[in-house]
Amino acid sequence: EAGVTQFPSHSVIEKGQTVTLRCDPISGHDNLYWYRRVMGKEIKFLLHFVKESKQDESGMPNNRFLAERTGGTYSTLKVQPAELEDSGVYFCASSQDAGVTDTQYFGPGTRLTVL
Amino acid sequence: GQNIDQPTEMTATEGAIVQINCTYQTSGFNGLFWYQQHAGEAPTFLSYNVLDGLEEKGRFSSFLSRSKGYSYLLLKELQMKDSASYLCAVLPVDSSYKLIFGSGTRLLVRP
Repeated sequence: EAGVTQFPSHSVIEKGQTVTLRCDPISGHDNLYWYRRVMGKEIKFLLHFVKESKQDESGMPNNRFLAERTGGTYSTLKVQPAELEDSGVYFCASSQDAGVTDTQYFGPGTRLTVL
Repeated sequence: GQNIDQPTEMTATEGAIVQINCTYQTSGFNGLFWYQQHAGEAPTFLSYNVLDGLEEKGRFSSFLSRSKGYSYLLLKELQMKDSASYLCAVLPVDSSYKLIFGSGTRLLVRP
């Protein structure tokens, strides 16, 4: 079974540009999560999808970030316009259900560098 | 709110045993996870504890004391491939999915 995949693995952009990150969850997983880790800090929750619906976007830092999951399969996270403080590693995770015992399986992350 | 503390770095010798501690302060608790992350790779699930006590899985064991807000991950018969970051993550009582991570402990296993 294929794991969670993310694309690209690395992205280097200039401040003010737009970047779109993609996540493909494990097939059949309705729940998809975005997290990010900025330099020197811990991994922090951004948002949660159930199928195509945003259930919780309480961790999204501001309105420059837009996440979508059209069709309930893969998800994209767009940053527009990117700022220096957006640099970090963006992780995607998926799970079959969203209960306390449901393991979240993580992707390898996209390392975003904003210059 | 939640506050999770782990040591930043640890070093151990191949074949030895190492214990990685995690303390947390949280207004409520739904369980604690340990993940392993090799550099540039995905965090991979190791263990989940919600009740007090020890959960053993091969060379890895995880312990939880809810009254003390304390967990540890025990790695036995260390191998070079165990060099990685180990992430402690708590599920708060008001969420069944919003993992709160510690900063991680970077473990270096030496020959």
